[in-house]
Amino acid sequence: AQSVSQHNHHVILSEAASLELGCNYSYGGTVNLFWYVQYPGQHLQLLLKYFSGDPLVKGIKGFEAEFIKSKFSFNLRKPSVQWSDTAEYFCAVIPTGGFKTIFGAGTRLFVKA
Amino acid sequence: ETGVTQTPRHLVMGMTNKKSLKCEQHLGHNAMYWYKQSAKKPLELMFVYNFKEQTENNSVPSRFSPECPNSSHLFLHLHTLQPEDSALYLCASSQDPDTGMNTEAFFGQGTRLTVV
Repeated sequence: AQSVSQHNHHVILSEAASLELGCNYSYGGTVNLFWYVQYPGQHLQLLLKYFSGDPLVKGIKGFEAEFIKSKFSFNLRKPSVQWSDTAEYFCAVIPTGGFKTIFGAGTRLFVKA
Repeated sequence: ETGVTQTPRHLVMGMTNKKSLKCEQHLGHNAMYWYKQSAKKPLELMFVYNFKEQTENNSVPSRFSPECPNSSHLFLHLHTLQPEDSALYLCASSQDPDTGMNTEAFFGQGTRLTVV
């Protein structure tokens, strides 16, 4: 069965620290990949997406993610986090040609001011 | 605002009650979804509608009953729920998946449901 695995459920960082959230998926075919973010009390919103092309994808608010096909990974990174990045982050996958989005369990990030 | 509106935002209901959740989108999307978000669990896809037709029911108990009268509106009718059904219920919409264009999902803010 298709699944998405996020390695950390909770991450606590100080401001200016670097962030990397791991995401691995299990699906043998081609996929489209997403990272969503849910700020406290707000709706889920798209952070960035990968469909094809350059495997290093830039998103909003200084986030980026790298698709490594051989590792089935799509890790999210930010060089220097801010207190306002405190949120829950979800990795998601859609098999190409499909539309059912498969989400990971999410990672709660808390950034200390 | 994402263009997807859910009402109510909060709902407390007894196990014998009947209630409905409403979702509305004005993005011109053709696919609409219900997800369940529980603490420490992945987002669970419950139902998918494409052009008003239900295309997926992920083994959801019959006490949850979806309705999609048109491409802009989606309901989730609830009856005889259990306390373990307490969760955040999210509605989402996306572009026509049959075009092969995998666009992202736009989510509403959710309905926080508590079953007592």
